[in-house]
Amino acid sequence: NAGVTQTPKFRVLKTGQSMTLLCAQDMNHEYMYWYRQDPGMGLRLIHYSVGEGTTAKGEVPDGYNVSRLKKQNFLLGLESAAPSQTSVYFCASSLPVASQPQHFGDGTRLSIL
Amino acid sequence: GNSVTQMEGPVTLSEEAFLTINCTYTATGYPSLFWYVQYPGEGLQLLLKATKADDKGSNKGFEATYRKETTSFHLEKGSVQVSDSAVYFCALRINSGGSNYKLTFGKGTLLTVNP
Repeated sequence: NAGVTQTPKFRVLKTGQSMTLLCAQDMNHEYMYWYRQDPGMGLRLIHYSVGEGTTAKGEVPDGYNVSRLKKQNFLLGLESAAPSQTSVYFCASSLPVASQPQHFGDGTRLSIL
Repeated sequence: GNSVTQMEGPVTLSEEAFLTINCTYTATGYPSLFWYVQYPGEGLQLLLKATKADDKGSNKGFEATYRKETTSFHLEKGSVQVSDSAVYFCALRINSGGSNYKLTFGKGTLLTVNP
């Protein structure tokens, strides 16, 4: 019972490099989300998707792009990494029902030097 | 808009002490309420939830009651253990037209339990 799986778990990048974080869920959830977690800031929503082929901006979308080509996958891209994007990134998924929780992955710890 | 306010801590307790973490909310509609727990180095896990007024969610000895009159969802445990040391997040999700995707979090409360 995998739930939400994020890859990679750790990554170090240099400023200006690009990379893609992958999120996969096996619960057939319509909604998927990307958050970042920084000390003292709680969780902030970067982008989200309410279905295959759709994406939308969250609270802090600048510097990130996303794609949802398949229902089970949600990709987060950093085109030109900046030190301010050093963070822990969490993916989540949920059913489209307010009474249901979001299910989270274990996170990707990303450092930008 | 919607918001969640929880005591920020940190909270430090001795083993077997009673725990309360306060959580209050404001919402434009009728929310479902959640408590999540994050152990060191891990993602968030659902601890418990309540979806209507006066519901009590419970799990692993933790409890929280949905109080609509006081817009609160305080987390309690009668006797904490060292293994309960973690960050606890209160959150709400609301069915409001096109906004039911969103989970609004509090800032989290760090709990440390000493032996």
